[in-house]
Amino acid sequence: GDSVTQMEGPVTLSEEAFLTINCTYTATGYPSLFWYVQYPGEGLQLLLKATKADDKGSNKGFEATYRKETTSFHLEKGSVQVSDSAVYFCALSHNTDKLIFGTGTRLQVFP
Amino acid sequence: GAGVSQSPSNKVTEKGKDVELRCDPISGHTALYWYRQSLGQGLEFLIYFQGNSAPDKSGLPSDRFSAERTGGSVSTLTIQRTQQEDSAVYLCASSWGGSRGSAEAFFGQGTRLTVV
Repeated sequence: GDSVTQMEGPVTLSEEAFLTINCTYTATGYPSLFWYVQYPGEGLQLLLKATKADDKGSNKGFEATYRKETTSFHLEKGSVQVSDSAVYFCALSHNTDKLIFGTGTRLQVFP
Repeated sequence: GAGVSQSPSNKVTEKGKDVELRCDPISGHTALYWYRQSLGQGLEFLIYFQGNSAPDKSGLPSDRFSAERTGGSVSTLTIQRTQQEDSAVYLCASSWGGSRGSAEAFFGQGTRLTVV
């Protein structure tokens, strides 16, 4: 069945460092890909998405490119802030079907 | 309301008791999802509603788990004869459904269930 694999955390960075969180997927067909974020004490929020190959999703300085050839959707940010500390979830879905999530990666950014 | 509302926010129950968890989706959202988040685990899909029907209930872990949705709005997840392994955060999400599907899913804050 479909699945999502994320790098294990925590990822610990200093403020203004470059961030990469790896995500790869296994799926039939051409799913849509997502990154969700869960800030401390808050619910899950959609961060960005891409619906077809080579699409780039972006939001709040974060980017991820849908790479069909490597079945990847890595999350990147050029300069992280303390306020980016959260748990990040990679996910996929087929149209109206359920979201299938990875296990999440905790990011800790220190000043 | 402005967002997806779940109640209670915390629930402690004794092993063997039944519990009901409630989800109020965003008004007008036709699709509703239940997920479970266990410590150290990802988000596990439980069940999906489109309107009042559940086309996908493949994630319900056992027949102790059931869910219903009435009036195309409020949903209740019921766990009978709770076990310690049921302890988790139960998340509800809703979306417009249709072609946008789960892409625009909005999540509630969750219900933290602890079975003692």
